[in-house]
Amino acid sequence: ETGVTQTPRHLVMGMTNKKSLKCEQHLGHNAMYWYKQSAKKPLELMFVYSLEERVENNSVPSRFSPECPNSSHLFLHLHTLQPEDSALYLCASSQDTRQTFNEKLFFGSGTQLSVL
Amino acid sequence: AQTVTQSQPEMSVQEAETVTLSCTYDTSESDYYLFWYKQPPSRQMILVIRQEAYKQQNATENRFSVNFQKAAKSFSLKISDSQLGDAAMYFCAYRSGRVQGAQKLVFGQGTRLTINP
Repeated sequence: ETGVTQTPRHLVMGMTNKKSLKCEQHLGHNAMYWYKQSAKKPLELMFVYSLEERVENNSVPSRFSPECPNSSHLFLHLHTLQPEDSALYLCASSQDTRQTFNEKLFFGSGTQLSVL
Repeated sequence: AQTVTQSQPEMSVQEAETVTLSCTYDTSESDYYLFWYKQPPSRQMILVIRQEAYKQQNATENRFSVNFQKAAKSFSLKISDSQLGDAAMYFCAYRSGRVQGAQKLVFGQGTRLTINP
């Protein structure tokens, strides 16, 4: 069983819908991430939460709204998305030990999002 | 800003043979870390191997090894004795050594590796 669980695995939504992606980590980590993986493009870091505080927002449009209610859960709320937002959304977690090299990202299996 | 480039969108190799995946990066920093991640069809990214920039010795993990050429800003991955389970997308990634705390990685575009039986 993976230490990072993402639901749903697949999601199809219309441009006017509101939906949420969920990520849960069972590893006791204190940092969580959202990455966007589009076809033929590098993974793009969207948001980073460390100790439940957002520490990175990489110029992501406001139609994506993250929420980190506790260190184990991370949500990505979606509203009025565009077809170009169709992608694989990956969640990851890590333990910030201040010993950089020993830190490691653990990924979930992603949510494949299609916006019609 | 740092960039990572993987110039081979696809590679294929015969089972049991050796294959090398290329990665170059651009940075003005001297302290950084480099990684290779594997993404099988299950979509879950898995860390394969990592390298600290200040270490001259190339990292090795079983059948996986890297050729780290700091001056050339090159970080290739060699897979020896390829196995069917090695078939996946492989991503090269860079992390600044300046920033402590959360792992903010910059990824390349990926290379799809096919293993031919």
